[in-house]
Amino acid sequence: NAGVTQTPKFRVLKTGQSMTLLCAQDMNHEYMYWYRQDPGMGLRLIHYSVGEGTTAKGEVPDGYNVSRLKKQNFLLGLESAAPSQTSVYFCASSYERAGELFFGEGSRLTVL
Amino acid sequence: DQQVKQNSPSLSVQEGRISILNCDYTNSMFDYFLWYKKYPAEGPTFLISISSIKDKNEDGRFTVFLNKSAKHLSLHIVPSQPGDSAVYFCAASGTGGFKTIFGAGTRLFVKA
Repeated sequence: NAGVTQTPKFRVLKTGQSMTLLCAQDMNHEYMYWYRQDPGMGLRLIHYSVGEGTTAKGEVPDGYNVSRLKKQNFLLGLESAAPSQTSVYFCASSYERAGELFFGEGSRLTVL
Repeated sequence: DQQVKQNSPSLSVQEGRISILNCDYTNSMFDYFLWYKKYPAEGPTFLISISSIKDKNEDGRFTVFLNKSAKHLSLHIVPSQPGDSAVYFCAASGTGGFKTIFGAGTRLFVKA
């Protein structure tokens, strides 16, 4: 039982490049989330999904897009990376609405 | 506009003593509160939660207290152990909502 798996774990991008972070969960959870963690800011919600085919904006959605084509996967895309998007990204899933979150190990992204 | 605030960035405690981590919130619609623990290079893991209908919840060495009138909650760890050294995040969610909002975190150091 892998739980929540994020790929890649590390990535370095140049300003303007694009990339996609993949999150996969094997717990059959309906709800999935993308957070970013920055020093002194805690975890801030980027986008979330309440089920397959749905997405919604969180606290800091600008510059990111998401898709939930399959229930077990939640993709986070950066179309044109900026240095301000240098961060550690965490994917999470939950069984209940706004219930206990199960997190992946994180993906460290650096934008030069 | 931080809806969940952890005003102490760090806390240092002697092994065997009590650790008290504090959290304040501003949104009256929050009715479910959680604490997560995070070790370096890992994702946060759920620790303990409390519903707004309670004022205390206990799980082994961990107790969370909720003071709704003051919009304040605290996590007590007794006795503290070196393995408790980690970053602790306070989080909150509201009835009917899908989002969990996190505080900035408090880094706990437990000295042997």
